[in-house]
Amino acid sequence: SYVLTQPPSVSVAPGQTARITCEGKNIETKAVHWYQQKPGQAPLLVVFDDSDRPSGIPERFSGSNSGNTATLSISRVEVGDEADYSCQVWDVFGDLRGVFGTGTRLTVL
Amino acid sequence: QVQLQESGPGRLRPSETLSLTCSVSADSVIGGNYCWSWIRQPPGKGLEWIGCIDYAYTTNDSPSLRSRVTISLDKPRSQFSLKLTSVTATDTAVYYCAKGGLGRPEYFEHWGRGTLVIVSS
Repeated sequence: SYVLTQPPSVSVAPGQTARITCEGKNIETKAVHWYQQKPGQAPLLVVFDDSDRPSGIPERFSGSNSGNTATLSISRVEVGDEADYSCQVWDVFGDLRGVFGTGTRLTVL
Repeated sequence: QVQLQESGPGRLRPSETLSLTCSVSADSVIGGNYCWSWIRQPPGKGLEWIGCIDYAYTTNDSPSLRSRVTISLDKPRSQFSLKLTSVTATDTAVYYCAKGGLGRPEYFEHWGRGTLVIVSS
């Protein structure tokens, strides 16, 4: 089945830009979706279809997808952005359709 | 805003069957072109997609759980359900129900709060 790999942790200072990567074979051929999960809460969709934002998600959250790497960028990082972030794709040609990345803990220093 | 709420037992013994129900707040939504998913998260670990059922009652599920999983849809009650047979300690997790995008099963637009299921003798 398709595998998505993320760095376990990313650290950034407030006001800086955080970049969280998601690696998968030829991931650029797939739509990538990103979820934010704070402790004790359900995941929240923050980016879908590589770079679109659901209603209510700040413009500070953006995404890109090229080659074997998709990236979630969070500009002007705030303390409240500290959370786990997971990427996800739908592998329409695979036996396992819903595939999640390994998850990244974002720490705001 | 659609709201989802999981319900079911919090604790099971090994070999028992887990039954969870997800209640959807908006009656008109349950019959819409959505895929209704179950996703779980073992303590301290990542998210795992279990499967989904769409408005036409078509299901897709994870090959690793397929032999033990049944997902069903009850439109009149605005609910969908998960049954997982022969549970073991490795099935201990927070179980979430989620709704896909309109005509887009590929991502999970709304989530329930999750329910913790512990499998222990």
